[in-house]
Amino acid sequence: AQKVTQAQTEISVVEKEDVTLDCVYETRDTTYYLFWYKQPPSGELVFLIRRNSFDEQNEISGRYSWNFQKSTSSFNFTITASQVVDSAVYFCALSEATDSWGKLQFGAGTQVVVTP
Amino acid sequence: DAMVIQNPRYQVTQFGKPVTLSCSQTLNHNVMYWYQQKSSQAPKLLFHYYDKDFNNEADTPDNFQSRRPNTSFCFLDIRSPGLGDAAMYLCATSTTGRKAKNIQYFGAGTRLSVL
Repeated sequence: AQKVTQAQTEISVVEKEDVTLDCVYETRDTTYYLFWYKQPPSGELVFLIRRNSFDEQNEISGRYSWNFQKSTSSFNFTITASQVVDSAVYFCALSEATDSWGKLQFGAGTQVVVTP
Repeated sequence: DAMVIQNPRYQVTQFGKPVTLSCSQTLNHNVMYWYQQKSSQAPKLLFHYYDKDFNNEADTPDNFQSRRPNTSFCFLDIRSPGLGDAAMYLCATSTTGRKAKNIQYFGAGTRLSVL
């Protein structure tokens, strides 16, 4: 069963618009970690954020913000005032504490296209 | 800067001709991973090394092997590449331990073409 669901396959926005990427996860572990990675056309997966299951505080980093809600098992990602450089595939991922070596379970990814 | 380096960035091989992809890291991480990523898909874990212990994913074909001669280097060997093995291959590292954050750091990938 898929543990991380990114229902949006592709989102297209015009520069300066906000875009929110949805991520819903499923786990029975009480301790787990959630991640977002960015994959630009060059191919490298770039780490953006890690959140552990005990920390529901939302986070803002520049134009990026994350909304973690355990009640709905969601970890959504918002890009404010999008720029062309934000065009990439964004992956949400889950790591369960029972996997001591940190196995990542990725969602299918959301392609973000930002046009000028 | 400490990083994960993959060579080469692009590799072309012939159908059935063995090929080796390499990964090195300066992070001194004890875990190294190899992923296969096909177009428009999420990365798929092939195997990982936890220190010197090799751990294969159940659905990784026997055609894929790996070596980790030391902490810094890890190799992916494809013994007889088929057309279906054309993909991006990503190497990643992470560290375990009490204060570890389970973050995987990825290299830029090697894009493999099979002719």
